[in-house]
Amino acid sequence: KNEVEQSPQNLTAQEGEFITINCSYSVGISALHWLQQHPGGGIVSLFMLSSGKKKHGRLIATINIQEKHSSLHITASHPRDSAVYICAISNFGNEKLTFGTGTRLTIIP
Amino acid sequence: NAGVTQTPKFRVLKTGQSMTLLCAQDMNHEYMYWYRQDPGMGLRLIHYSVGEGTTAKGEVPDGYNVSRLKKQNFLLGLESAAPSQTSVYFCASTSDRILMNTEAFFGQGTRLTVV
Repeated sequence: KNEVEQSPQNLTAQEGEFITINCSYSVGISALHWLQQHPGGGIVSLFMLSSGKKKHGRLIATINIQEKHSSLHITASHPRDSAVYICAISNFGNEKLTFGTGTRLTIIP
Repeated sequence: NAGVTQTPKFRVLKTGQSMTLLCAQDMNHEYMYWYRQDPGMGLRLIHYSVGEGTTAKGEVPDGYNVSRLKKQNFLLGLESAAPSQTSVYFCASTSDRILMNTEAFFGQGTRLTVV
């Protein structure tokens, strides 16, 4: 079992819909990262969380440390939000990031 | 401020050929990393460096070598390319240890195909 599991793997929605992407992990962490990767593009850091909730524009990230679960929400989704969203954790056991396999989001106009 | 820059962006190699991927960052970061991204898998760490002149092995180091002669540059070498090394390679940098909850900055990626 991977240390980081994301769901769904693929998500297609209409423009304007509220989007939720989930990330579950199985080890103690120091922080959880949400990253965005556009097709053929680089990877951009969206959020880094160790507790609670963060908001940036239409994006909201939450984390529940006790349940080992994080969600990334997108409000009023737009076609430009189409990308792969990647969850990664930094755990206390080592110095590296462990990545989920990503959620491919497609927003249809 | 360019951030993290990778060159080249695309490359096709024949089996057995060698090449070097260059990663350059202009943020004065101490820590630099090379990852590979394969379909259906999360990014996996190949090698990393905790400062100028240092390198260390990650999860999947076999077939790769690295050097960090200058703080701003981290080079990834393939001495004898194999089809299994077909992948998208990402470089990243951080100002501090990952455990210190530091933000990671990534390059645009290098798409390598070995035929």
